[in-house]
Amino acid sequence: GQQLNQSPQSMFIQEGEDVSMNCTSSSIFNTWLWYKQDPGEGPVLLIALYKAGELTSNGRLTAQFGITRKDSFLNISASIPSDVGIYFCAGPEGTSYDKVIFGPGTSLSVIP
Amino acid sequence: KAGVTQTPRYLIKTRGQQVTLSCSPISGHRSVSWYQQTPGQGLQFLFEYFSETQRNKGNFPGRFSGRQFSNSRSEMNVSTLELGDSALYLCASSSTATNEKLFFGSGTQLSVL
Repeated sequence: GQQLNQSPQSMFIQEGEDVSMNCTSSSIFNTWLWYKQDPGEGPVLLIALYKAGELTSNGRLTAQFGITRKDSFLNISASIPSDVGIYFCAGPEGTSYDKVIFGPGTSLSVIP
Repeated sequence: KAGVTQTPRYLIKTRGQQVTLSCSPISGHRSVSWYQQTPGQGLQFLFEYFSETQRNKGNFPGRFSGRQFSNSRSEMNVSTLELGDSALYLCASSSTATNEKLFFGSGTQLSVL
C-alpha cells in the first residue's frame, strides 16, 4: 500500500522561531491532511488540501499541496509553547476515502 | 455537540484474554474508523465502517475484529491478546462518506501483561 514519510522526525526549537516540516510519498495523493496530536489526546485536523499547488493557512499555520502531488509542507510561524505536540500528515489511500493513512509524525518541542 | 467518546480510557489485560473497546461517534456521524497507535509504528489503520458495513480493513490479523451498530456506535474486539497488542486504540468519526475530516476520540490505552 501507499506509505507516507515525514521529516524531520523531531524538532527542538526556541519560542518565537518558525518551523517547517514536510511529508512525502512515493505515490500520488489527491488530498493532503495535517493533524496535530497533543499528549494524551487524539489527533485534531489542522488543515486539509485538495489541489496541487494549493496553499492554505490556519492562523499561524500554513500548508502547501506539492505540485507533484507526492509531497506536502507545513509551516508554523512564531512558535509558542502550545504548539508542542506531534504533527501528522495523512491522506486517503487510493481514490476512495474509506481508508485514511497517516505518516509517522514529527514531534515538536518548543523551548520557552 | 459531544465529541467522540471512547470507553474505557485505560485497560489492563493479560496474554490470551480478549478485549472489547467501545466508540460512540459524534451525533449524526455515520463513519467510524479505528487506528492502533504505538511509538514505533505510528497510527496504523485497523478498519472503517459506514452505515454498519465494513468498507476497508488494514493489515492486521483476524484476531482484530469490529462492528458498527445501527446507531453508528462501534466496537472493536481483540481476541487472544499478545504483548504486542499493547497500544493506544483510537476511534475517529466523520460526518460524510469521505473521511477527509476525521474527529478523533481520546483513545483507549490497552496494556497487555
